[in-house]
Amino acid sequence: DGGITQSPKYLFRKEGQNVTLSCEQNLNHDAMYWYRQDPGQGLRLIYYSQIVNDFQKGDIAEGYSVSREKKESFPLTVTSAQKNPTAFYLCASSIIAGGDTQYFGPGTRLTVL
Amino acid sequence: DAKTTQPPSMDCAEGRAANLPCNHSTISGNEYVYWYRQIHSQGPQYIIHGLKNNETNEMASLIITEDRKSSTLILPHATLRDTAVYYCIVRVRGGTSYGKLTFGQGTILTVHP
Repeated sequence: DGGITQSPKYLFRKEGQNVTLSCEQNLNHDAMYWYRQDPGQGLRLIYYSQIVNDFQKGDIAEGYSVSREKKESFPLTVTSAQKNPTAFYLCASSIIAGGDTQYFGPGTRLTVL
Repeated sequence: DAKTTQPPSMDCAEGRAANLPCNHSTISGNEYVYWYRQIHSQGPQYIIHGLKNNETNEMASLIITEDRKSSTLILPHATLRDTAVYYCIVRVRGGTSYGKLTFGQGTILTVHP
């Protein structure tokens, strides 16, 4: 089955620790995205990547980092510099960057204890 | 991207058609209408999109008025699993917003037995 997978589904971390969220897609999509969703809120773009070895900051990139070494993978690291990291994190991909249809993974719910 | 207006909530009986309206009176000629939905604690799911002609796929139908200022998403035979928040988005394909999706408040559709 083609699709986007995110792991883990639930993640707990202590304050001050870095944590990496996984996102993998086998759709052969060039573009990938990371969003954050807080309760009752819409999506906010953290980082996006239009192609392998390239990525750009979104609207709320502070305290996060990404890499795009492979087309199918776009991991997100939530660093200790992120002041309020507890949220639902969503990864998405699209055939190309721009206004094309985005397909989402199931999400990772991160809770900082 | 043009702003959209949706009713905050709607109810539908199982097996009946669910008709979800969306107003987008400031839509531009090159902007598409997209619909996504998000079931509780899951990633958003793409449903359908269109420019000016009516569209149908295995999930739903999209009816866009002739002046393109409003549209209706139709789920022909709603099931309990269709209970979700439905988002109407208007955006340019391949635009300069680097693919960022901006969800408004959406419509909470509740399908009841």
